[in-house]
Amino acid sequence: GQQLNQSPQSMFIQEGEDVSMNCTSSSIFNTWLWYKQDPGEGPVLLIALYKAGELTSNGRLTAQFGITRKDSFLNISASIPSDVGIYFCAGRLGIFGNEKLTFGTGTRLTIIP
Amino acid sequence: DAGITQSPRHKVTETGTPVTLRCHQTENHRYMYWYRQDPGHGLRLIHYSYGVKDTDKGEVSDGYSVSRSKTEDFLLTLESATSSQTSVYFCAITGKSSYEQYFGPGTRLTVT
Repeated sequence: GQQLNQSPQSMFIQEGEDVSMNCTSSSIFNTWLWYKQDPGEGPVLLIALYKAGELTSNGRLTAQFGITRKDSFLNISASIPSDVGIYFCAGRLGIFGNEKLTFGTGTRLTIIP
Repeated sequence: DAGITQSPRHKVTETGTPVTLRCHQTENHRYMYWYRQDPGHGLRLIHYSYGVKDTDKGEVSDGYSVSRSKTEDFLLTLESATSSQTSVYFCAITGKSSYEQYFGPGTRLTVT
């Protein structure tokens, strides 16, 4: 099945730094979602995007729906220790009655002391 | 909190035995999903349901069956567990917006 290309695969940053990650697809999506997963837990929805070009914020997190509909970006400003985890993007194909998502393989964020 | 629980949270079983995982939701959502998560593969859809007794296959459905006899419960069955089915299994539901999926806490299954 199709997977989204998510980059980088891992990031090592210092507390207080800004973070940028992206997700690209060969297919157009109508919805982009960003999730965060902590060890031993299920993914938690962070931000949902519904329109090409849309920019949406959730606290220190900002995500954008790419204008081509084939990519999306997530930025985290002024990182803190609780930002550590794996971030997943997901795209919804948007076929009528089809609610299935396609997921990226994740970006693992680590904060260096 | 999307009101999703999964049981059991951890299970170890032997090859060839049947296993059933349960997903329970409390908010009457129509769509429910079963995913497996493996290193290097991300989240992959096994089966999904769009209503009571209405189910369909995902991309990795071989070796799995599902049932949904009530809105609130979605069961995943491994008829004869194999070591390749060792994984973390997540249930998800579609929220009120119909565009967003919310995940349960997961079940870690080990097949020895």
